[in-house]
Amino acid sequence: GNSVTQMEGPVTLSEEAFLTINCTYTATGYPSLFWYVQYPGEGLQLLLKATKADDKGSNKGFEATYRKETTSFHLEKGSVQVSDSAVYFCALGGGSNYKLTFGKGTLLTVNP
Amino acid sequence: DADVTQTPRNRITKTGKRIMLECSQTKGHDRMYWYRQDPGLGLRLIYYSFDVKDINKGEISDGYSVSRQAQAKFSLSLESAIPNQTALYFCATSDAGGSVIPNEQFFGPGTRLTVL
Repeated sequence: GNSVTQMEGPVTLSEEAFLTINCTYTATGYPSLFWYVQYPGEGLQLLLKATKADDKGSNKGFEATYRKETTSFHLEKGSVQVSDSAVYFCALGGGSNYKLTFGKGTLLTVNP
Repeated sequence: DADVTQTPRNRITKTGKRIMLECSQTKGHDRMYWYRQDPGLGLRLIYYSFDVKDINKGEISDGYSVSRQAQAKFSLSLESAIPNQTALYFCATSDAGGSVIPNEQFFGPGTRLTVL
């Protein structure tokens, strides 16, 4: 079955540091890949997405590239801000049932 | 106005009580989902519905039931709540396909449920 493994947190960075949150997946076929973000006290919001190999999703300075050869979709940002503090979820969608499989989430805290 | 709304936002109840969590959406999506979120476990799917007449169990459906009253409404019930059902519950919706990206889901703000 489908599964997503993402980097365990928590991750604590200083403002303007470089961020990488690793995500790898197992799936049959050609899944779509997503990063969702959950700010404190809120629901999940889609951050970025990619639907096929070598696609790069980007939003708000975050990027992730769909790497089929390494089955990965790592999230990166060149310079994090305090406002980026949140929980980040990697997710995979595949198959005819259109369900999403989520990773366990990574808590990011950015200090001033 | 929010596209996916959940009521209540917070609820404290006692063991053995029946609880209903409600979800409404104005996105016109056919597909709706209920998840629970627990620290360190991510989101786990409880039930999902692809249209009013289609209800499916997710990975952790035991102790829960659902009702799809209309395209826009999907309710989750705990018939007899127990403490390990204390969690954050999310409703989500998605479109059926066509030109949109499959699987992209839109989430409500969540309901924090505490069972004492």
